[in-house]
Amino acid sequence: SAVISQKPSRDICQRGTSLTIQCQVDSQVTMMFWYRQQPGQSLTLIATANQGSEATYESGFVIDKFPISRPNLTFSTLTVSNMSPEDSSIYLCSVESPGEAFFGPGTRLTVL
Amino acid sequence: QQQVKQSPQSLIVQKGGISIINCAYENTAFDYFPWYQQFPGKGPALLIAIRPDVSEKKEGRFTISFNKSAKQFSLHIMDSQPGDSATYFCAVTGGSQGNLIFGKGTKLSVKP
Repeated sequence: SAVISQKPSRDICQRGTSLTIQCQVDSQVTMMFWYRQQPGQSLTLIATANQGSEATYESGFVIDKFPISRPNLTFSTLTVSNMSPEDSSIYLCSVESPGEAFFGPGTRLTVL
Repeated sequence: QQQVKQSPQSLIVQKGGISIINCAYENTAFDYFPWYQQFPGKGPALLIAIRPDVSEKKEGRFTISFNKSAKQFSLHIMDSQPGDSATYFCAVTGGSQGNLIFGKGTKLSVKP
């Protein structure tokens, strides 16, 4: 199993600012995933972050809006840039091992 | 195109009753079918999962039924308890799909 922590757990931000979310895993993993969960909705994959290479973004998500860093095998950050109220969501990081995906507790972001 | 369709969107069950949530998928290359449970303010946690080589898997009060020919799988919660009240997501992955694709979720409320 993997234990994942995220910081911050929640934040309220002003329109036009940026927030960086940190994800720490208690073991080394090759791939880390960032998801967005809008209020009352399902999970949508934003991007896959591999250590040592550029993140791979899903359709509808771009690096300028959601830059990702992956400096080592246990840590990643997701930045939500130039925020608007539509970015209000829960952001979750995830890692996968054979047969299971593990999720962090999420970061609840509210943009005013 | 939605690759996995989950129903119902919400479900109210009396304590002791059976909760049934269904999912249907399109891609026959999928080979891993997990169910995740999410409580408010928490990340999703794996509840139970099945691979297509079996038609049913049971873990305690939770059972997955899998119908490969119909491309459907369902979660059955026997003797439902108020503590089971949560949102449940089915997911699929496999083939060329490297990450989980989630259904839209079912909000289960178990009434005492």
